[in-house]
Amino acid sequence: DAGVIQSPRHEVTEMGQEVTLRCKPISGHNSLFWYRQTMMRGLELLIYFNNNVPIDDSGMPEDRFSAKMPNASFSTLKIQPSEPRDSAVYFCATRAFSGNTIYFGEGSWLTVV
Amino acid sequence: AQSVTQLDSQVPVFEEAPVELRCNYSSSVSVYLFWYVQYPNQGLQLLLKYLSGSTLVKGINGFEAEFNKSQTSFHLRKPSVHISDTAEYFCAVSGQYNNNDMRFGAGTRLTVKP
Repeated sequence: DAGVIQSPRHEVTEMGQEVTLRCKPISGHNSLFWYRQTMMRGLELLIYFNNNVPIDDSGMPEDRFSAKMPNASFSTLKIQPSEPRDSAVYFCATRAFSGNTIYFGEGSWLTVV
Repeated sequence: AQSVTQLDSQVPVFEEAPVELRCNYSSSVSVYLFWYVQYPNQGLQLLLKYLSGSTLVKGINGFEAEFNKSQTSFHLRKPSVHISDTAEYFCAVSGQYNNNDMRFGAGTRLTVKP
């Protein structure tokens, strides 16, 4: 089975540009999580969805960040405008709704210069 | 809410030596506990998990962990490490009845030397 698929794997962009990160969850998984990993703050939960509905976005750092899940097989995390301090690895992770294990994608390495 | 403390940020060890990576958690409710491994430039991969039952949990790659409720610990062990075990290891905790809120420790960098 395919795991969680994220794109792009690496992105370098200039400050002020819009960045869109994409995630395809494991088929049948109803919960989707976006995490950010930095050296300073470790792994932080940004937002999670159950059945395509955002449940908790308290981890989203600023209004520049937004996330959507238009259907069960796709989610996006958007940063507009991007800033150098947004440089991090962004992970998408999913879980079956009745399950207890979160499965991670390979991550999107974002560098904002 | 739950929290996790990984007591060692870095653990260097020689190949074929035993290793223990320490994890303590805090929670006011019953928990699920997890260990994930992250190899360079990759995502997190589940090593093992404790949900209930036997306190000794065996995972992939020869790792095991023991849940100790009285000490609120979930230490990860391997009797003999390989070079390929060099990676970052994360302990994580979630509440049994609200397992959307999974909290991760800061990670322990295991470096296996030849």
